[in-house]
Amino acid sequence: LAKTTQPISMDSYEGQEVNITCSHNNIATNDYITWYQQFPSQGPRFIIQGYKTKVTNEVASLFIPADRKSSTLSLPRVSLSDTAVYYCLVGGPNQGGKLIFGQGTELSVKP
Amino acid sequence: GAGVSQSPSNKVTEKGKDVELRCDPISGHTALYWYRQSLGQGLEFLIYFQGNSAPDKSGLPSDRFSAERTGGSVSTLTIQRTQQEDSAVYLCASSLGSMKGTDTQYFGPGTRLTVL
Repeated sequence: LAKTTQPISMDSYEGQEVNITCSHNNIATNDYITWYQQFPSQGPRFIIQGYKTKVTNEVASLFIPADRKSSTLSLPRVSLSDTAVYYCLVGGPNQGGKLIFGQGTELSVKP
Repeated sequence: GAGVSQSPSNKVTEKGKDVELRCDPISGHTALYWYRQSLGQGLEFLIYFQGNSAPDKSGLPSDRFSAERTGGSVSTLTIQRTQQEDSAVYLCASSLGSMKGTDTQYFGPGTRLTVL
């Protein structure tokens, strides 16, 4: 099972780009990387998913280097409403056993 | 459309009592997941249901925990003889497909369980 490691917390200011990295040294060939966002008192919400290189959607980009041992979630021009906890999940289509989320990165965006 | 719903939203119980937590997944979603989130902690996988297949119970922490999914829809997580360390938010998620580790999971708001 791929174990993930993320920074516990990050601070940023409105309008800045924020990059959150997740380490997953023993990622398996079939594993994908998925990021979720969680606001207080809510369940997590899907942000983005990727397998390799770069993926971009309307809210974020995901950068995955060739060795896939890490991934970086990039949030462009953050606002106060981006203050949340961000989790990475590494898993494959036929994942056996537990699904293991990272411990989460608490992002605090300040005015 | 309606998202994943969970009930109750809050549950306070006494040590040693049994509790049942309910999850109503999004209509048509074949997969259902249960997680536990202790205060300030990440998500701990508990159990996974997919269609009519036998559930993946690999995350259940003890035999006091069990879950059922009736008719491929509603699920109930039961905790017997609750302990104080069971206090946490219990989250349910559902997904449309059958790819356990890659399908987009849609989470409910959770049930906050407090064991006194």
